[in-house]
Amino acid sequence: DAGVIQSPRHEVTEMGQEVTLRCKPISGHDYLFWYRQTMMRGLELLIYFNNNVPIDDSGMPEDRFSAKMPNASFSTLKIQPSEPRDSAVYFCASSFGLITDTQYFGPGTRLTVL
Amino acid sequence: RKEVEQDPGPFNVPEGATVAFNCTYSNSASQSFFWYRQDCRKEPKLLMSVYSSGNEDGRFTAQLNRASQYISLLIRDSKLSDSATYLCVVGAQGAQKLVFGQGTRLTINP
Repeated sequence: DAGVIQSPRHEVTEMGQEVTLRCKPISGHDYLFWYRQTMMRGLELLIYFNNNVPIDDSGMPEDRFSAKMPNASFSTLKIQPSEPRDSAVYFCASSFGLITDTQYFGPGTRLTVL
Repeated sequence: RKEVEQDPGPFNVPEGATVAFNCTYSNSASQSFFWYRQDCRKEPKLLMSVYSSGNEDGRFTAQLNRASQYISLLIRDSKLSDSATYLCVVGAQGAQKLVFGQGTRLTINP
């Protein structure tokens, strides 16, 4: 398996623009997670899905953020409109189980909002 | 109080030394524990799970102390390649998620 795939790897955009991050989880994994990592706040869970259904989105910072998982092999995280404080590395991860199994992370998307 | 707390470091130790760091967690109902490793500008990867009886993987030893609610990681005969950030991860069925610590940054010096 190729592992978790994320695109784009780097994104530079201007404030106010829409940003869409993409993720393909490992085949067969039931859980998909979106994280954000900054120096100040560390790794924060934004939202996770179980069998394509959003279970906990309490980490989503505000209404500008939305995530979807239309099928078992694809998920998106959208920021609209983007702001400079959204600049961070966004990781997607997937796993078989919720808390007892290894989470496999993608390489991340480094987002810079100017 | 944070759910999972780690000393951010940095820890700077000479090659060949033994280094240890702890992580404390606040949820007494926590039931799964892990150490992840994150290299600079890379994604986190599982280093090892932490079992109640403690476990060892080569030069790495992980221990769990439920009474005091902490887990530890010991690295013996440290190598330059051990330089990384080590993330403590704790999961509780009730919380329905894994919680990652801020990470401890370790640099091994030649």
